[in-house]
Amino acid sequence: NAGVTQTPKFQVLKTGQSMTLQCAQDMNHNSMYWYRQDPGMGLRLIYYSASEGTTDKGEVPNGYNVSRLNKREFSLRLESAAPSQTSVYFCASQRQDYEQYFGPGTRLTVT
Amino acid sequence: AQKVTQAQTEISVVEKEDVTLDCVYETRDTTYYLFWYKQPPSGELVFLIRRNSFDEQNEISGRYSWNFQKSTSSFNFTITASQVVDSAVYFCALSEAISGGSYIPTFGRGTSLIVHP
Repeated sequence: NAGVTQTPKFQVLKTGQSMTLQCAQDMNHNSMYWYRQDPGMGLRLIYYSASEGTTDKGEVPNGYNVSRLNKREFSLRLESAAPSQTSVYFCASQRQDYEQYFGPGTRLTVT
Repeated sequence: AQKVTQAQTEISVVEKEDVTLDCVYETRDTTYYLFWYKQPPSGELVFLIRRNSFDEQNEISGRYSWNFQKSTSSFNFTITASQVVDSAVYFCALSEAISGGSYIPTFGRGTSLIVHP
């Protein structure tokens, strides 16, 4: 039982490059989330998916797109990376009692 | 204004001291959920506790205890006899319902706890 997995663990991009962060969960949860964590800012919600087939913006969606590929997988795409998107990205899935399980994170640096 | 305020950015204690991490939240909903998560230096986020708005009973789990007071909109976390392994960033979070019935969490900015041997 792997829980929530994220790939890659680390990534360095140049400004303007694109990439997709992958997330998968094996707990059969309906809801999945993408957050970014910056020093002193806590976790800020980028996008979420309340169920398969739906996605919605969170607090900081600009510059990102998401795809809920199926119930297991929820990917985050940066179409044209900017230095302001340097951050640690966490994916999470949520149980019905609203407890969240987090992936190990992706440390992204945009130069 | 922040919905979840963790006013203590960093706390430093010596092992075996008791320490309380404060969390103040803001909501107009009558039904909501409060959480604490721990992020040790390794970086993963670990769930510690969930409380719903109708259950103000305090909870104790080993050296950890939580005090939920609706009257002051606070959900404070106390570690008794702290240990070096308690060193981590602790996040408080509030989940409220949005249109469509989903509960979306808002996290505080975290309190970094450093426990010195």
